[in-house]
Amino acid sequence: DTEVTQTPKHLVMGMTNKKSLKCEQHMGHRAMYWYKQKAKKPPELMFVYSYEKLSINESVPSRFSPECPNSSLLNLHLHALQPEDSALYLCASSQGYARRRRSTEAFFGQGTRLTVV
Amino acid sequence: SQQGEEDPQALSIQEGENATMNCSYKTSINNLQWYRQNSGRGLVHLILIRSNEREKHSGRLRVTLDTSKKSSSLLITASRAADTASYFCATEGGSEKLVFGKGTKLTVNP
Repeated sequence: DTEVTQTPKHLVMGMTNKKSLKCEQHMGHRAMYWYKQKAKKPPELMFVYSYEKLSINESVPSRFSPECPNSSLLNLHLHALQPEDSALYLCASSQGYARRRRSTEAFFGQGTRLTVV
Repeated sequence: SQQGEEDPQALSIQEGENATMNCSYKTSINNLQWYRQNSGRGLVHLILIRSNEREKHSGRLRVTLDTSKKSSSLLITASRAADTASYFCATEGGSEKLVFGKGTKLTVNP
């Protein structure tokens, strides 16, 4: 199974709503990522989890709150978003680093297209 | 922050022709990777080249890396209409941080 599954595929939310994006992988990968991608732009890194611990936060506003409940799951909790947060949110996973360095080849989900109204 | 800069931003060719895309980056890297993205969907990993490698092949793909010039190129030979997509380089510099360049939008006309 080389799939990263993201749900939902589409989400429309108001600026006062609270919602969550979910990501799941069963490849035994120990690094998981959230990226944000605006139209015609490259993916921008938001967060990296390594061995279920947050290792990188790219100065993302606190209205985005990541959570890694276990090694297979990654959530992104959304609260009080702005219209400019509308984008494609991509989750990815990779083997990550261990005592011996491994590949950082990343496997991506199909993304959640988020619209904030 | 983006590290890689792809060139050209857009490329349109005929089926059967070769397509070459270039990527430049700014800081030292452990490896450089190329990904493909079909319109509005997830990215697919194509090939990874380590900093101590100069060239790598995979099927119709050929990647070169010049660490002295901080640049890489991706060559797709005998292109097909199905190769139409955006192509991104991504650099990894020693942590698990994968940073993407701006991308090249490739159109292969049948």
